[in-house]
Amino acid sequence: GQQLNQSPQSMFIQEGEDVSMNCTSSSIFNTWLWYKQDPGEGPVLLIALYKAGELTSNGRLTAQFGITRKDSFLNISASIPSDVGIYFCAGQSRDSNTGNQFYFGTGTSLTVIP
Amino acid sequence: DAGVTQSPTHLIKTRGQHVTLRCSPISGHKSVSWYQQVLGQGPQFIFQYYEKEERGRGNFPDRFSARQFPNYSSELNVNALLLGDSALYLCASSIRDSPYEQYFGPGTRLTVT
Repeated sequence: GQQLNQSPQSMFIQEGEDVSMNCTSSSIFNTWLWYKQDPGEGPVLLIALYKAGELTSNGRLTAQFGITRKDSFLNISASIPSDVGIYFCAGQSRDSNTGNQFYFGTGTSLTVIP
Repeated sequence: DAGVTQSPTHLIKTRGQHVTLRCSPISGHKSVSWYQQVLGQGPQFIFQYYEKEERGRGNFPDRFSARQFPNYSSELNVNALLLGDSALYLCASSIRDSPYEQYFGPGTRLTVT
């Protein structure tokens, strides 16, 4: 199945630094979601975006729904050790034959160095 | 409140066998979706159900099937297991059909030998 192009693939940063990652697609999406996943666990929802151009914050996290509806970015400010994990973007669209569709990005692995 | 629950936690099956995975959504949530996550990749969408009706289907063979019960819990069935079916199977629930926010369970780790 289709997967969204997510970059960077991995990041190694110092504690306190800001982080930025983005996600692009060849298709238009109705919804963009950002998740964090720790090893052996299910993804945890961080931010949901529903309108093109929408900018939403959740604590130190900020995400935007791209104007073209084909991209989204996530920023993390002042990173802390517990930010370590794999971050996934996800997009939702609808297909006339197969109904609702959900696509996940390839993931960004974040390592925070104390 | 309890989150999404899945059972079993781990499962080992042999090629050719079938398997049934179970999911209970968050109380009040009427939609359940199933995903397959192979190690090192993002989750791949399999099915979405809302109010007991299939609302979305991903690109998986007919060996995969699912259903949702009146209490909104769900089962994912996989027949004629292949080695490549080894993965973490995730269930997610949400309040509405679309668009909506999905909340994931811890997953079922399936190993096919």
